[in-house]
Amino acid sequence: GAVVSQHPSRVICKSGTSVKIECRSLDFQATTMFWYRQFPKQSLMLMATSNEGSKATYEQGVEKDKFLINHASLTLSTLTVTSAHPEDSSFYICSAVTPKGGAYEQYFGPGTRLTVT
Amino acid sequence: GDSVTQMEGPVTLSEEAFLTINCTYTATGYPSLFWYVQYPGEGLQLLLKATKADDKGSNKGFEATYRKETTSFHLEKGSVQVSDSAVYFCAQNPSNTGKLIFGQGTTLQVKP
Repeated sequence: GAVVSQHPSRVICKSGTSVKIECRSLDFQATTMFWYRQFPKQSLMLMATSNEGSKATYEQGVEKDKFLINHASLTLSTLTVTSAHPEDSSFYICSAVTPKGGAYEQYFGPGTRLTVT
Repeated sequence: GDSVTQMEGPVTLSEEAFLTINCTYTATGYPSLFWYVQYPGEGLQLLLKATKADDKGSNKGFEATYRKETTSFHLEKGSVQVSDSAVYFCAQNPSNTGKLIFGQGTTLQVKP
C-alpha cells in the first residue's frame, strides 16, 4: 500500500528557533498534501493545503508567515515552524492525496511530535 | 458550515462486548464519509469508508452505514478485542478534494 513518511518523528527545539518537518510520499506521486495539527486528546485541525508548484492555501487563523509550507516536488512537502514558541508544541501530521478511480485516496504520515522548550 | 460530531469518550468496554460509536455530520452536498483509527503512538489509518448514501463500509469486523436521512455514519463492531483500543475519528470529505473534516475523536478502551 501507499506509504507516507515524516521526518523527524520527534524534535525538541529551543524557543525562537525554526524547525523543518518533511513529508514524503514514498511510492506514489501526491498532487496534494495536507498539514494537520493535533493537540493532546483532541481532533486534527487542518492547517493548510499544499499543492506541488504553487503556494499553499492556509486555513483561517493559521499564520502563513509562521508555518511556511513548501511543496517542491510531487513526493515532498515541508513545513517549517519559524521562531517557534512553547505554544507551537504539538503533533503535526501530514497526508498525501493521489487520484484513484475518479476519487481521491488519502494517506497519512505517522506524525511529528514537536516540543518547544 | 460542514462539520462532524462524534460521541464523547472515553468508551470503556469489556472484551467481546458490542461497540457503537455515534457520528453525525452536517454538509451542504453529498460527502464521502470515513472512519480512521489511531493506535497509541501511531499515525492515522483508514478503517473504512462509504462514498454514497446507503453504502456500508466494513473492515476488520467494523461496519458503518452511510445514512443520508439521519446524516449519520455510526461505527459498530459486534465483539471488540483488547487490540481495538485506540482513538477513532469520523471524517467527511465534502468537496471530494481530499480535504477532510474530522470529528473530535472517541477513545475506546477495551479491558480483558
